[in-house]
Amino acid sequence: QVQLVQSGADVKKPGSSVKVSCKASGGTFRTSSFNWIRQAPGQGLEWMGRIIPFFGFPDYAQRFDKRATITADESTGTVYMHLRSLTSEDTAVYFCATSGGERREYFDLWGRGTLVTVSS
Amino acid sequence: EIVLTQSPGTLSLSPGEGATLSCRASQTVSSSYLAWYLQRPGQAPRLLVSGASSRATGIPDRFSARGSGTDFTLTISRLEPEDFAVYFCQQHDPSTMMYTFGQGTRLEIK
Repeated sequence: QVQLVQSGADVKKPGSSVKVSCKASGGTFRTSSFNWIRQAPGQGLEWMGRIIPFFGFPDYAQRFDKRATITADESTGTVYMHLRSLTSEDTAVYFCATSGGERREYFDLWGRGTLVTVSS
Repeated sequence: EIVLTQSPGTLSLSPGEGATLSCRASQTVSSSYLAWYLQRPGQAPRLLVSGASSRATGIPDRFSARGSGTDFTLTISRLEPEDFAVYFCQQHDPSTMMYTFGQGTRLEIK
């Protein structure tokens, strides 16, 4: 069964950066669409961006376009999300999720999430 | 950007009762691109419905969904204890590649 295993919780200082990983087991890594979605404490869900390793070019939500970088390593079957210039507002659980459907329109498999805390 | 507004914010009901959750879009959403999720505390969201009305694998038939255009509804009949959670709707706009979520409806035990 396909699984997404994310890296562990992290604490960062304001102004620093964080890199969260998501290792996929099973399935077809190259043609899967891997998305990053975050959830601030007690808040809703926010899509950040996605990558399909076969194509290699990520798409980003506008508000993350200049601060986030999503990459994929086919040799290890791992996707990464790098977020720079962190502020306390970036404190959130970051989920990795694959998207399914003809146009990859919904999120059908989720990782357990990675808590990133930004605090001085 | 298409904004999804869910109502009510919180719904208090008893096990065995039925629930109706609403998701309204600021612009027309293709029914193919509207999904619903359930999120229990401390867990990742779980896909319930895709294509506005198609239940995901393993989702019991007490969950049903419908809608088109800007108005979508998720109905849960005969609430079970495990149904008390937060529900999110989500849309995808293929012209912009963007995905947005509603703010969620919390279904709590009365």
